[in-house]
Amino acid sequence: SYVLTQPPSVSVAPGQTARITCGGNNIGSKGVHWYQQKPGQAPVLVVSDDSHRPSGIPERLSGSNSGNTATLTISRVEAGDEADYYCQVWDSSGDHTSYFFGTGTKVTVL
Amino acid sequence: EVQLVQSGAEVKKPGESLKISCKGSGYSFTDYWIGWVRQMPGKGLEWMGIIYPGDSDTRYSPSFQGQVTISVDKSISTAYLQWSTLKASDTAMFYCARFVSSSWYVDNWGQGTLVTVSS
Repeated sequence: SYVLTQPPSVSVAPGQTARITCGGNNIGSKGVHWYQQKPGQAPVLVVSDDSHRPSGIPERLSGSNSGNTATLTISRVEAGDEADYYCQVWDSSGDHTSYFFGTGTKVTVL
Repeated sequence: EVQLVQSGAEVKKPGESLKISCKGSGYSFTDYWIGWVRQMPGKGLEWMGIIYPGDSDTRYSPSFQGQVTISVDKSISTAYLQWSTLKASDTAMFYCARFVSSSWYVDNWGQGTLVTVSS
């Protein structure tokens, strides 16, 4: 099993920068993906493969990954960024592959 | 437009069986893995299992192996998640998800199916 640890919550004022971390053993060697989930909605992919933004995702959202920590950065935070954010990786152990989600971080815009 | 449309909410009693569905459209259904993800009330996302509609190759999370069955009918572009004996602890929202196998991320999600198990 591969454990991905995220802070339960991050609070940020509008216009400031939010950084959401995702810790895992040597996570820098894996591709990390990030999802945004607003209340009552399905998750939405916001970053794939560490730092790639799908079409329609604003440039304010960016990702990085190195060592034991991946980070999703939200610049110039807006009220609409308030949501839960999850990181995700895949990992193989022997002949078994699993797809792990982080514990999730609730971003609150003050 | 890629769409995954799931079946509606279910209310069941403990011990009953259930099969929920996820219909794909707007793409070649047999070319992408479909996974199922559980979200218990107020909790995070948990990967349950994944199936390749092209050949029905199925893989389960160790946490869900033996607890659920994932299947597919490619003739109608539909994947399924089923339980033979529901428990109250199965109460959750269940999402189907299209995985991009080059890097194993989800690029499209179903709208979710809420399953409530209560006596």
